[in-house]
Amino acid sequence: NAGVTQTPKFRILKIGQSMTLQCAQDMNHNYMYWYRQDPGMGLKLIYYSVGAGITDKGEVPNGYNVSRSTTEDFPLRLELAAPSQTSVYFCASSYRDSNQPQHFGDGTRLSIL
Amino acid sequence: GIQVEQSPPDLILQEGANSTLRCNFSDSVNNLQWFHQNPWGQLINLFYIPSGTKQNGRLSATTVATERYSLLYISSSQTTDSGVYFCAVTTGANSKLTFGKGITLSVRP
Repeated sequence: NAGVTQTPKFRILKIGQSMTLQCAQDMNHNYMYWYRQDPGMGLKLIYYSVGAGITDKGEVPNGYNVSRSTTEDFPLRLELAAPSQTSVYFCASSYRDSNQPQHFGDGTRLSIL
Repeated sequence: GIQVEQSPPDLILQEGANSTLRCNFSDSVNNLQWFHQNPWGQLINLFYIPSGTKQNGRLSATTVATERYSLLYISSSQTTDSGVYFCAVTTGANSKLTFGKGITLSVRP
């Protein structure tokens, strides 16, 4: 089992560019999440999904979009990259609901210049 | 929303020493997890412990849900234990993990 796989691991963008961060899990988990981690801070939830076709906003959703067309994949899109979006992005998944442990990918380090 | 406070914010240990990391939370929780973020940035899931006590090798954790705190014990610390330790919780039907700010642990040889 690969668990939660995130691609790319590193990326540098110019202001105004767009990109999609990929996240895939092979554990047949229903719930998937996107977090961002700023330097010296804990993680903050951007968006989450409780199943294919269902997504909802987290604490810091502005500037991001998500979709969930399959159980396995949960991509995160940045439409107009801004310096404030420089961060490390983590994808996570859990089985069924919030009462199960969340499993995290290795993260994507994104710099906006 | 729920508040998660971790203490101390920083901890420096000599290799072989024991330590206790604390996590306080402001409301009832139905999920509590401890994570170790290693120097490469990877988040390692240490414990899923909404209540009770668990042990895994040199690490153990106790959550006293009625008193709204959790403790992570590290015994005979090693340099590989260095990194940031996060406590994270969910409440009610909310599936969103709320993280504390973390405890930075440095273990010196």
